[in-house]
This record gives sequence, structure tokens and C-alpha cells, in this order.
Amino acid sequence: AQKITQTQPGMFVQEKEAVTLDCTYDTSDPSYGLFWYKQPSSGEMIFLIYQGSYDQQNATEGRYSLNFQKARKSANLVISASQLGDSAMYFCAMRSSRLGNQFYFGTGTSLTVIP
Amino acid sequence: GAVVSQHPSWVICKSGTSVKIECRSLDFQATTMFWYRQFPKQSLMLMATSNEGSKATYEQGVEKDKFLINHASLTLSTLTVTSAHPEDSSFYICSARGTTIAKNIQYFGAGTRLSVL
Repeated sequence: AQKITQTQPGMFVQEKEAVTLDCTYDTSDPSYGLFWYKQPSSGEMIFLIYQGSYDQQNATEGRYSLNFQKARKSANLVISASQLGDSAMYFCAMRSSRLGNQFYFGTGTSLTVIP
Repeated sequence: GAVVSQHPSWVICKSGTSVKIECRSLDFQATTMFWYRQFPKQSLMLMATSNEGSKATYEQGVEKDKFLINHASLTLSTLTVTSAHPEDSSFYICSARGTTIAKNIQYFGAGTRLSVL
């Protein structure tokens, strides 16, 4: 069964606009972590932001924020003030102890920022 | 964030030869390292998990005799693709996690593009 779902294979956003990348997850573990990574064309995976299942507030890291809706099991990434350098693949991932603490990745969303 | 170095970044080899890929954690001790394989425009596929000083745990369908993993120290893990064939051509990427790293974040190397001729 799919544990992490990213339904947007590709997204476009105008430079300086905000964009939301969707991610839904499936777990019965009350304790889990949600992560977003950016993968530019060079291939490296860059850690962006983390949200713990018990965190009361949505995580924020600079222009990145995570819209965590626990009841809906969604963890959408919001990028504000998009820049050309934000063009990349974005992967949502989940870790839970019941899943052996390994990461499960979604299929990714390709974001293109248009000048 | 923590730094993970992966080398080489690109390798081309002849069919039948073996290729070794190194993954090093530069500023933390990596108690656990992970090796992934990624096909073009696809997500990462976990190949194996290795803990320092013990044998790697391979995912179902991954040949352990084909993909040899050694995690001999807290800062180094190696993946050796033995008797490589063209179907082994792929992007291989490692990640590392350590006890001093908060939130169980995995930090990734830059990846290795393997082309087998």
C-alpha cells in the first residue's frame, strides 16, 4: 500500500509567487516524522523541512513552511516568493518506528519556476 | 545541516568489472547508512540499510552478492557493484543518520551516476 502520495507530477509557478506541493501519508503509528527534500538536476537530495507528528505548530524554515493537517494526513509544502533556483524535484518522505524507521518517499513533484 | 560526501560522482565502466562507491559522513558519526537507487524521473528505491560493524540489511529483490555493502567505520560506508552489467546503470545515492543528528533526519550524498558499457 502506498504510504506517501504526491499527486502532482509537475507544477509551474511564476517567479515571486507562492506554491503548494501536496503530500498525503498513511500510517497507524502515532509517532512519525514527515520530511521534504529538494532534488535539483545535479541529483543531490537537499533536506528542506521536518514535521513531527506531535508538533503542535507547523514547521517553518525560511521560505519553506509545512501545512500539517494531521486529521487529513496531509503535509503540504508551501514555498513562498518562488525563485528560479527553486526549480527542481521535490520529494515528501515519512519515517515511523512501526515501519522500521526507514524513509518512505513519494513519487515526487517536478516544480518549474517561470520568470 | 550535516555533510555527506559521496565519491565518485560519475563512473563509466566496462561490463563485467566491479565499481566501488564511497559514502562518508564528514561532520558526524553515521550509525546508520542507507543506499538507494534511482531511475530517471522516479523516486528513490531503498536497496539496503547498514549499521556500523554489522551486516547490511537488504531490501527484497536486491542481490546482496551483487551489491556488496561495507560499513566498517562510523564515517564510511561503501557500495561495490560486482560484475556490473548495463542493467546496473543507474543513479546511486547514499544517506546517513547519526545519534547526534536531531529528528532522525537523513542527510544525502550527491549521488553517483553509473554507466556500464
